[in-house]
Amino acid sequence: ETGVTQTPRHLVMGMTNKKSLKCEQHLGHNAMYWYKQSAKKPLELMFVYNFKEQTENNSVPSRFSPECPNSSHLFLHLHTLQPEDSALYLCASSQGTSGGSTYEQYFGPGTRLTVT
Amino acid sequence: AQKVTQAQTEISVVEKEDVTLDCVYETRDTTYYLFWYKQPPSGELVFLIRRNSFDEQNEISGRYSWNFQKSTSSFNFTITASQVVDSAVYFCALSDRMNYGGSQGNLIFGKGTKLSVKP
Repeated sequence: ETGVTQTPRHLVMGMTNKKSLKCEQHLGHNAMYWYKQSAKKPLELMFVYNFKEQTENNSVPSRFSPECPNSSHLFLHLHTLQPEDSALYLCASSQGTSGGSTYEQYFGPGTRLTVT
Repeated sequence: AQKVTQAQTEISVVEKEDVTLDCVYETRDTTYYLFWYKQPPSGELVFLIRRNSFDEQNEISGRYSWNFQKSTSSFNFTITASQVVDSAVYFCALSDRMNYGGSQGNLIFGKGTKLSVKP
């Protein structure tokens, strides 16, 4: 496996279900990100982890719960979602920042989530 | 506040035409980074280029070229002799010290421009 992988690619869940999205990066990066992409909004940053520590929670509802057990894996745990949470959820990784520089992020293929 | 504007929502061209995608950004910082990403129908964002604010040289990579002009706060992207495989949504993004100071290079994305290249 190379790059950034995400599973599952598609997910349909009811509002009372609990599910998890998984992301894995094989690039040796230190930072990982969750984004939400819905039809009528720009890409929205949800969470940022750097060296396994959460450094950003962009006012995301508590029904989304991230977990980063190590620098290569990132999860997004979902529970009691709403239909408006239906979107493409993208994971990304980067080298993070060093000496004030900003590195490009590499994205996975995304999980297309539908909440019924 | 930081902002990225891609005024062109959709562009349609015929194969072999040249096409320019516009990107205008706003930032109060003097040190910042600009990016372009491509999102084909498969969904994955593909990194195309990263440029820092101190490097205003234009860049060319094959059929792709980028024109960075600080005077107009623009970072436009041109595809020469477009091909059907260029059909995708293209995103411009900005990262500066105001939002990456403690938050590891967070990107602010424009809304994207959907490019359709017809055979």
